[in-house]
Amino acid sequence: NAGVTQTPKFQVLKTGQSMTLQCAQDMNHNSMYWYRQDPGMGLRLIYYSASEGTTDKGEVPNGYNVSRLNKREFSLRLESAAPSQTSVYFCASSERVRLAAFFGQGTRLTVV
Amino acid sequence: KQEVTQIPAALSVPEGENLVLNCSFTDSAIYNLQWFRQDPGKGLTSLLLIQSSQREQTSGRLNASLDKSSGRSTLYIAASQPGDSATYLCAVTHSGNTPLVFGKGTRLSVIA
Repeated sequence: NAGVTQTPKFQVLKTGQSMTLQCAQDMNHNSMYWYRQDPGMGLRLIYYSASEGTTDKGEVPNGYNVSRLNKREFSLRLESAAPSQTSVYFCASSERVRLAAFFGQGTRLTVV
Repeated sequence: KQEVTQIPAALSVPEGENLVLNCSFTDSAIYNLQWFRQDPGKGLTSLLLIQSSQREQTSGRLNASLDKSSGRSTLYIAASQPGDSATYLCAVTHSGNTPLVFGKGTRLSVIA
C-alpha cells in the first residue's frame, strides 16, 4: 500500500542551491498537488496538476517550478533556495480535483 | 477567496470526554469538506469526507456534520482516548473545481 511516496524525507540546503522534490502515486489518480506547511500558517497550495500535461499555480508559487512527468509523478523544483523556503512539503493526489485527497509523508526541508 | 478557520487552535481534555472541534469557511459554495488527522512529524490521514449535499458522516467514534448555508462543520469525537492526540485539519474544495483549502488546525491533547 504505497499510496503517495515522497523523496527525500529530509534535506538541508545552502542558500542558492537547487534541488528537486520527487513525488509518485500508485493509485492511478489524475490530479496531483504540492503544499507547504509552516508553523501557524497551515497548509498552503504551491502548484497543482489537474491532469497529466497541465499545471497551475496555487497560493504561493513564487520560487518554485513543477513538472508533471507522467500520470504517476509530479516533481517540485527549487531553482535557488532561500531560507524562507524552509518548510515541510507535502505532495497529494486525488482521482480528480475536488475529490478525496491522499497525502504523502512529507519532505522536511531546511535552507541555511 | 475562500478562508477556513478552526477554533480552538489547541485543546486539552481528560480521557473519556466527548469533544467537538469547529471549522468555519467564508464561501458556502463548497463541493466537499474533508477532515484530516496529522500526527507530529507525519503526513495527513483522511478521516471523513462530507459532500456538500450531505449533513453528516460517521466513522467509529467520529462524527462530522456540515451546515453549508452557515459555513460551518464540526467534528465530534466520542469517548476520547490518549491515542486521539494529534492535530485535526479541516479543508474544503470549491464548486469551481479548485484544490483543497485548509484551516490551520486544532491541536488536541487527550490526557490519561
